[in-house]
Amino acid sequence: GDSVTQMEGPVTLSEEAFLTINCTYTATGYPSLFWYVQYPGEGLQLLLKATKADDKGSNKGFEATYRKETTSFHLEKGSVQVSDSAVYFCALAPFTGGGNKLTFGTGTQLKVEL
Amino acid sequence: GAVVSQHPSRVICKSGTSVKIECRSLDFQATTMFWYRQFPKQSLMLMATSNEGSKATYEQGVEKDKFLINHASLTLSTLTVTSAHPEDSSFYICSAEQALANEKLFFGSGTQLSVL
Repeated sequence: GDSVTQMEGPVTLSEEAFLTINCTYTATGYPSLFWYVQYPGEGLQLLLKATKADDKGSNKGFEATYRKETTSFHLEKGSVQVSDSAVYFCALAPFTGGGNKLTFGTGTQLKVEL
Repeated sequence: GAVVSQHPSRVICKSGTSVKIECRSLDFQATTMFWYRQFPKQSLMLMATSNEGSKATYEQGVEKDKFLINHASLTLSTLTVTSAHPEDSSFYICSAEQALANEKLFFGSGTQLSVL
């Protein structure tokens, strides 16, 4: 079945550092890929998504590119802030348009310090 | 943006008791809601999909008599963990799909269940 693997946390960075959180997936067909973020005490929120190969999703300075050849969707941000401290979940939906039955990764906790 | 309220956020109960978790969409109608659970250091696992007015669809390996799901209205779904045991201790999260908005999912903040 479908699966998502993301790097274990916690990841601790200094403010303004570069962030990469790795995510790889296994799926048949052409899944849609997502990054969700969960701030303390809140529900998961959609951060960005990509629905086909080579698409780049971006939001709030975060980016991720759908790489079919490496089955990856790594999350990056050039300069993190303390307010980015949260748990980040990579997820896939089996196909575009059928997309709410999500398969998630384990989540990666990010801590950004001054 | 749309808000999903999940209650309670944390519950501790004795083994053998039942616990009900509520998931409400506050400002939109949700024809479909999803229930997930997460063990420490593991993925969020989909447990079941519930559609308003019909029986929930459970994922393989999830006991439907153990985890009762009711989706009686377009804004409320409940998950009842019946005769809870320590191995049911987990983090449970619901999500709601906004009607007529494909791939628009909104999540509750989760419920940490601890069974003593």
